[in-house]
Amino acid sequence: QSALTQPASVSGSPGQSITISCTGTSSDVGTYNLVSWYQHHPGKAPKLMIYEASKRPSGVSNRFSGARSGNTASLTISGLQAEDEADYYCCSYAGSNTWVFGGGTKLTVL
Amino acid sequence: QLRLQESGPGLVKPSETLSLSCTVSGGSISSSSYYWGWVRQPPGKGLEWIAYIYYSGNTYYNPSLKSRVTISVDTSKNQFSLTLTSVTAADTAVYYCASYWTPSGAFDVWGQGTMVTVSS
Repeated sequence: QSALTQPASVSGSPGQSITISCTGTSSDVGTYNLVSWYQHHPGKAPKLMIYEASKRPSGVSNRFSGARSGNTASLTISGLQAEDEADYYCCSYAGSNTWVFGGGTKLTVL
Repeated sequence: QLRLQESGPGLVKPSETLSLSCTVSGGSISSSSYYWGWVRQPPGKGLEWIAYIYYSGNTYYNPSLKSRVTISVDTSKNQFSLTLTSVTAADTAVYYCASYWTPSGAFDVWGQGTMVTVSS
């Protein structure tokens, strides 16, 4: 059970769109739609942003969207805002009631 | 609204046992819609799922930690707990408790996290 692969960092200017990828295997992302994304501001509790690959919890801005294709999931943030600057983690079900997270991506809003 | 709060010692000696508790408020730990779990983040690294438990006592563990981890639930206190034995410096991390909401298939509410350092 290896960690999902995410880019270490991405950046964008206010108003732009960015996409963070999350690559797994046929044992996790490639088989199960149970992919979720979390926003983490250091020192705070992680916040669920996307579940079941593309669904948004109530209260999460529609600027956040998710997708999944093959062994890769992605999180897109449109209309970047300064408050979006944070670490983002993907998570996937890996079978047999186990879960695997990605290594995290630091988003910098320029 | 569900809230989770971790508690436990911030310093543990190598080879000893790490014990943490998570108190659930704003909801019942006996809810059939939730599992209760632990996730950790070593300094400078990503998140790692440790384990989760159903209120009935069914437990599920990360295979890489299974031999050292026990998760338990105390419905009378609305708490669940984590023990990690034979700790080393590699177990130094921020430990989060989180609720897994089955309808969403995701960890929907997290505690603030508690830093645990393994050092003599």
